[in-house]
Amino acid sequence: DSGVTQTPKHLITATGQRVTLRCSPRSGDLSVYWYQQSLDQGLQFLIQYYNGEERAKGNILERFSAQQFPDLHSELNLSSLELGDSALYFCASSAGANYNEQFFGPGTRLTVL
Amino acid sequence: AQTVTQSQPEMSVQEAETVTLSCTYDTSESDYYLFWYKQPPSRQMILVIRQEAYKQQNATENRFSVNFQKAAKSFSLKISDSQLGDAAMYFCAYIRGYGGSQGNLIFGKGTKLSVKP
Repeated sequence: DSGVTQTPKHLITATGQRVTLRCSPRSGDLSVYWYQQSLDQGLQFLIQYYNGEERAKGNILERFSAQQFPDLHSELNLSSLELGDSALYFCASSAGANYNEQFFGPGTRLTVL
Repeated sequence: AQTVTQSQPEMSVQEAETVTLSCTYDTSESDYYLFWYKQPPSRQMILVIRQEAYKQQNATENRFSVNFQKAAKSFSLKISDSQLGDAAMYFCAYIRGYGGSQGNLIFGKGTKLSVKP
């Protein structure tokens, strides 16, 4: 158990819908990262937050957004969902903004039908 | 841009034998870290081993060790005395060191390891 929690575990929805994925980092970790794992793209970095502020952006679509709240939990919002958004979404946390070791949550499996 | 390449999509090893998974990376940075992550069928990402680029000594964690060749930008993982529970997808990953503006991991495509009893 990494100490990072993600909800829900599984999510099945339809095209065009909007969903919210939630992540709670390890106790004391200030940095949260979101990654997407799909068969064709592999593991890709989406976005990073540090202590409530956006720190870095990766290959995140404009239809996707995220935020980190004062209690440090984070939410990833995916809207206007397409079939290609079906993937495993991981949240990871680390102690600092540039701290090198990241601990991953169990992931949320999103299926878009 | 930094890239990580794993040239072996699949590997197989006999139980109790040794296997080596390959990884090469490309970077112009001098300060960075390298990792091997294991992803079993449960899909959980588990950190196996880490290597600091400034350290010459190869990292070791029990049956897992790395061969870090900085000049060649090579970072292979050796698993000794392979066990059935080692069967998983293994990802090589890179991250910039302190001072980088981006703290995200860059992953290779992965190597699927099968362990035969």
